[in-house]
Amino acid sequence: GAGVSQSPSNKVTEKGKDVELRCDPISGHTALYWYRQSLGQGLEFLIYFQGNSAPDKSGLPSDRFSAERTGGSVSTLTIQRTQQEDSAVYLCAGGLAGGPSTDTQYFGPGTRLTVL
Amino acid sequence: GENVEQHPSTLSVQEGDSAVIKCTYSDSASNYFPWYKQELGKRPQLIIDIRSNVGEKKDQRIAVTLNKTAKHFSLHITETQPEDSAVYFCAASGSTLGRLYFGRGTQLTVWP
Repeated sequence: GAGVSQSPSNKVTEKGKDVELRCDPISGHTALYWYRQSLGQGLEFLIYFQGNSAPDKSGLPSDRFSAERTGGSVSTLTIQRTQQEDSAVYLCAGGLAGGPSTDTQYFGPGTRLTVL
Repeated sequence: GENVEQHPSTLSVQEGDSAVIKCTYSDSASNYFPWYKQELGKRPQLIIDIRSNVGEKKDQRIAVTLNKTAKHFSLHITETQPEDSAVYFCAASGSTLGRLYFGRGTQLTVWP
C-alpha cells in the first residue's frame, strides 16, 4: 500500500465499552509501534512489535489495554472497559528491521477515540 | 531506558528568521536521532535524521547537528516560512533495539 493506514479514523464510545483499533503497516515493515497522543501533548509509547511478538509492552497503561499482531502485518489495539481518560489519538507506526534505515518510523493518520 | 529532553516547548519567530530546537539524551548507546514534524491534525512525518557517525546533516533549509560527547542534538531551520509552523519532535534510539524515545515536542509558530 501507499502508507500506513488506520481504522476507524474516529471512534466515539460510551464509558465501559470495549473498542478495537486497527493498524495496517506498510508491506514488509516488520516493526510496528502504538503510541497515544492526548490533545496538545507528546507521543506516549504503548507497545512495540517485532514480527508477531512484542518485545516491549512497557507503555501499556493498564491491563485494560492489549494488542496483538498477526501474520507480521495487521495489528489490533484493544481497550476494554473504556474510561474518559482513554480519550486521545492513537497512532500506529511501522518500520524496517535491519538495513540503513532501521529505526525510522512511518506513522499512520491515527484514530481519534472519544469516550463519553 | 533513554530519556530525551526537548527545549523550548514553544518558539515564535518572524518569517525569514532562523529557529533552533535543542534536545538532550541520556543513553550513550543511542545512535540514531530523527526529527518529526506534526502539523495540526496530521500525522508526524520524518523531516531529517542523523546517525552517530555524522556530526551534521543538511537538507535545504533544515539542518541537524549532533554532539555525542555532550549528548545533545539540535534542529536548525533557516529562512523560516509560515508553513514551517507545526510541532516538532526529536527522538533518540536508546539501547533497546527498535525503540525510539521522543521528546515532548516544540510548538513552532512563524509569523508572516
